[in-house]
Amino acid sequence: GAVVSQHPSWVICKSGTSVKIECRSLDFQATTMFWYRQFPKQSLMLMATSNEGSKATYEQGVEKDKFLINHASLTLSTLTVTSAHPEDSSFYICSVYFLAGVGEQYFGPGTRLTVT
Amino acid sequence: QQQVKQSPQSLIVQKGGISIINCAYENTAFDYFPWYQQFPGKGPALLIAIRPDVSEKKEGRFTISFNKSAKQFSLHIMDSQPGDSATYFCAASIGGATNKLIFGTGTLLAVQP
Repeated sequence: GAVVSQHPSWVICKSGTSVKIECRSLDFQATTMFWYRQFPKQSLMLMATSNEGSKATYEQGVEKDKFLINHASLTLSTLTVTSAHPEDSSFYICSVYFLAGVGEQYFGPGTRLTVT
Repeated sequence: QQQVKQSPQSLIVQKGGISIINCAYENTAFDYFPWYQQFPGKGPALLIAIRPDVSEKKEGRFTISFNKSAKQFSLHIMDSQPGDSATYFCAASIGGATNKLIFGTGTLLAVQP
């Protein structure tokens, strides 16, 4: 079964507003979660690494003041897109490391953000 | 150095045939190589993963072949089915599955009935 959930699955917002996306690990603790962005017909690009209880680590070129990440508990990380613009429209996906067997990285179902 | 090159970009295979997707890397520090399957509008689903201490891993119809000296790894889908039609991504990381993944560019597979 699924080990990671995301909410909402899709969201439409107006330009200039902020949107919060949740990523939850189901029935296990995740000290580290990853946030990726995927544009249509393109690959996944890592945005940031979310660490429970500390500041997120952002990849080069990702604006940390625009994409706010909060990993306040061992099962929840949130990504807030602030002052959204149409170019922020994308598919946002989180992933977590799940230790079952040898341990693998699993992805959530994704959140489709459309900024009008 | 951090790139993972994936080919082909798209692939058409007849039902029952073998689908082969290849990936190559430069950074010898990579030590975890997973393959993901993604359907439109869905998150990537882990298919199979390999670590460099083995040259091949098989799970059902899916096999990863790993060539450490050539810095290449490939996914073989045996007896391909129309339900396998999806986009496949290879990835790599340093420090195992607990660390960030570098993804290939993806391969769109179409299995014709």
